[in-house]
Amino acid sequence: GAVVSQHPSRVICKSGTSVKIECRSLDFQATTMFWYRQFPKKSLMLMATSNEGSKATYEQGVEKDKFLINHASLTLSTLTVTSAHPEDSSFYICSARGVVGPQREDYGYTFGSGTRLTVV
Amino acid sequence: GQQLNQSPQSMFIQEGEDVSMNCTSSSIFNTWLWYKQEPGEGPVLLIALYKAGELTSNGRLTAQFGITRKDSFLNISASIPSDVGIYFCAGQLGGTSYGKLTFGQGTILTVHP
Repeated sequence: GAVVSQHPSRVICKSGTSVKIECRSLDFQATTMFWYRQFPKKSLMLMATSNEGSKATYEQGVEKDKFLINHASLTLSTLTVTSAHPEDSSFYICSARGVVGPQREDYGYTFGSGTRLTVV
Repeated sequence: GQQLNQSPQSMFIQEGEDVSMNCTSSSIFNTWLWYKQEPGEGPVLLIALYKAGELTSNGRLTAQFGITRKDSFLNISASIPSDVGIYFCAGQLGGTSYGKLTFGQGTILTVHP
């Protein structure tokens, strides 16, 4: 089945530094990637949607200059939290949707395992 | 924006009991998905529903896509301790093949041995 690899699983950084989170689709072409943020025992909040080769579309209230998203290839998207502050501490999850096989069968949505970001 | 109302918010049950949770919305969805999330992990797809009225099973799990396309339920039969986790419904609106998902608030399931 479809696999999405997300790294790192945990990261602790100092306030003011930047952190990059990678999301890779291992066995399918991810034409669209979604980035979510999740607080403890809460639902997933969509931050942005990115299509390969184009700029990400951010949800209302999400600062695009703070959460930089790059989707340069069909298998890799990155989220960079710039100038991180303690309030950015959260669980970040990516999801990829794409196609597989010569018939470009829809592979649906597959989630990464998440990244726990702690800003100290 | 669109919202999915998921209930119950939490359930505490004994091993062997059946579980039922549901999601409703004021919007019509083209696809309903049910996910399970364990601590520190991303959601894992349990069941995907694509047609109104569709009833699909996956082992002890059964889910249905409401006929009005505004609701869905998930049943778990004969629960076991490893069923513990947070269950989310998610819906995809029509019109865009690669549209974004809207998630319910989640149901926290605790199973006592």
